[in-house]
Amino acid sequence: GENVEQHPSTLSVQEGDSAVIKCTYSDSASNYFPWYKQELGKRPQLIIDIRSNVGEKKDQRIAVTLNKTAKHFSLHITETQPEDSAVYFCAPFPGANNLFFGTGTRLTVIP
Amino acid sequence: NAGVTQTPKFHILKTGQSMTLQCAQDMNHGYMSWYRQDPGMGLRLIYYSAAAGTTDKEVPNGYNVSRLNTEDFPLRLVSAAPSQTSVYLCASSYSNTTDTQYFGPGTRLTVL
Repeated sequence: GENVEQHPSTLSVQEGDSAVIKCTYSDSASNYFPWYKQELGKRPQLIIDIRSNVGEKKDQRIAVTLNKTAKHFSLHITETQPEDSAVYFCAPFPGANNLFFGTGTRLTVIP
Repeated sequence: NAGVTQTPKFHILKTGQSMTLQCAQDMNHGYMSWYRQDPGMGLRLIYYSAAAGTTDKEVPNGYNVSRLNTEDFPLRLVSAAPSQTSVYLCASSYSNTTDTQYFGPGTRLTVL
């Protein structure tokens, strides 16, 4: 199976600063790389994803970058806002209908 | 659309008891799955169904699943154990794992 690590496990930033969360994986067959956001007491929701044929994808203040050679991908949030406070999960997909979720990063945006 | 719904929201079981967690979706999604979420462990896949009427992988010990139709995907705990204390999340997607996963609100289960 896939070994997935997320760093850092907790992250605090001042409102307006940027946040970066890194996800490393072990299976070189992985070809789909989503990030999910889970606010306190709520269900996880997909916020951005990337396929293996693309190196970077942006959606307003959120971006994901992929380094397939080094087997890691990162979530970038710019101009952070209090509503960005949540737990973020990466979930690389190596095939066989199984997403492997990371253990999560708790982001706190301090107003 | 209601999306993905789960019942109950909370439940307490005694060791050895059985119960069924309900999951339903009204988006005509083919792919449905069950995860458990434990503190510091992320989400761990329990089982998935790629389409109604199919069983796609070995069911882990202590669980039973069925997919008789497109909408419903119940998860049965057979003779519950304290190690099954967790938040159970159901998810669905259009046809496979790389489509957007839509999660239900979860069932918080405690086994005493």
